[in-house]
Amino acid sequence: AQRVTQPEKLLSVFKGAPVELKCNYSYSGSPELFWYVQYSRQRLQLLLRHISRESIKGFTADLNKGETSFHLKKPFAQEEDSAMYYCALRINNAGNMLTFGGGTRLMVKP
Amino acid sequence: DAGVTQSPTHLIKTRGQQVTLRCSPKSGHDTVSWYQQALGQGPQFIFQYYEEEERQRGNFPDRFSGHQFPNYSSELNVNALLLGDSALYLCASSLLLGPGQYFGPGTRLTVL
Repeated sequence: AQRVTQPEKLLSVFKGAPVELKCNYSYSGSPELFWYVQYSRQRLQLLLRHISRESIKGFTADLNKGETSFHLKKPFAQEEDSAMYYCALRINNAGNMLTFGGGTRLMVKP
Repeated sequence: DAGVTQSPTHLIKTRGQQVTLRCSPKSGHDTVSWYQQALGQGPQFIFQYYEEEERQRGNFPDRFSGHQFPNYSSELNVNALLLGDSALYLCASSLLLGPGQYFGPGTRLTVL
């Protein structure tokens, strides 16, 4: 069965510092990977997906199939980036079921 | 469009009772998924409904059941509640193979 692991429960950085939120997955095939974000008192929302290969709010994530990782990166953290971040996996052609990691809380200090 | 809506916002039940949670999908979406999010954990997939049928199911017991109506709205039913069923229940809507899921605000269920 597929699994998503986010090794850090909490990541604390200063404003302007680089950020890397780690995500590792286990699945023998070729899954689709997503990052979801939940800001304080807001609902869970899609941040980006690996297929799009886009940068959203300065965040990027590259799928590394060799290391089975999908780390989320931003070169200069902003205070408004403080939130819960969840990495999720979807198996292609298997509906829209998502398997989530446990989440990482990012705190950006002034 | 209000997006995905869920009701009620909060619910308190006692062990052994039954509960029904409701979800209205985002306009234009035909697929509804339900997730359970325990405190401090990521969401766990319960099941997914499409064309009024359960299409996929996660590792949850038969006490968890659902329904999808012709207007695509959905209900999640949990029978014989246990303390461990206390969690935030999230509904998400999408197109069946759409690019992502849109989540509702959740229903916080507390079982005493």
